[in-house]
Amino acid sequence: AQTVTQSQPEMSVQEAETVTLSCTYDTSESDYYLFWYKQPPSRQMILVIRQEAYKQQNATENRFSVNFQKAAKSFSLKISDSQLGDAAMYFCAYRSRATSGTYKYIFGTGTRLKVLA
Amino acid sequence: EPEVTQTPSHQVTQMGQEVILRCVPISNHLYFYWYRQILGQKVEFLVSFYNNEISEKSEIFDDQFSVERPDGSNFTLKIRSTKLEDSAMYFCASRLSLGETQYFGPGTRLLVL
Repeated sequence: AQTVTQSQPEMSVQEAETVTLSCTYDTSESDYYLFWYKQPPSRQMILVIRQEAYKQQNATENRFSVNFQKAAKSFSLKISDSQLGDAAMYFCAYRSRATSGTYKYIFGTGTRLKVLA
Repeated sequence: EPEVTQTPSHQVTQMGQEVILRCVPISNHLYFYWYRQILGQKVEFLVSFYNNEISEKSEIFDDQFSVERPDGSNFTLKIRSTKLEDSAMYFCASRLSLGETQYFGPGTRLLVL
């Protein structure tokens, strides 16, 4: 079974600085997607960035980028020029092909990011 | 921008009572999901739904749970006889196709007393 591990329960970063959130996963599949979701205090889950496993190029979305190391099964999120609004719980997620042929998502336990003014 | 909506935002119920959580997915989406998040814990997959039937369900989704898409727009999660441990935030999500990203609703916070 696939697993997703986020080893950092909490991280802090100074405003305007850069922070990296770690995520590792375990799978025997070769084709899959990885995601980072942000969950602010409002509790809504917001997609931050996604990475297709077959793409070697790391995904980038404005101040957010990933370091995808497929062989190491590592998928870290880098937030540049951190802003107060980035403070949230961040979840790493793996999209698994379920037995019925559809997909389901497996989430990590989350990393709470605090942004210090 | 279209979004997934959920009602109610908060629900308090007595143990043993039935609750129905409602979701309106994005209108042209075809795949629907329910997740739950117990306070302080990770998001857990409950069930996926496509073409008017359950595609996949987790071990959490036992006989007390059911899902329905009664009218082509709403997607509901029913818990027949709530237990204290059902207290959680329940998220609905929808997706257009298998290659597309899931979009999550804001969640319904369920408290079972």
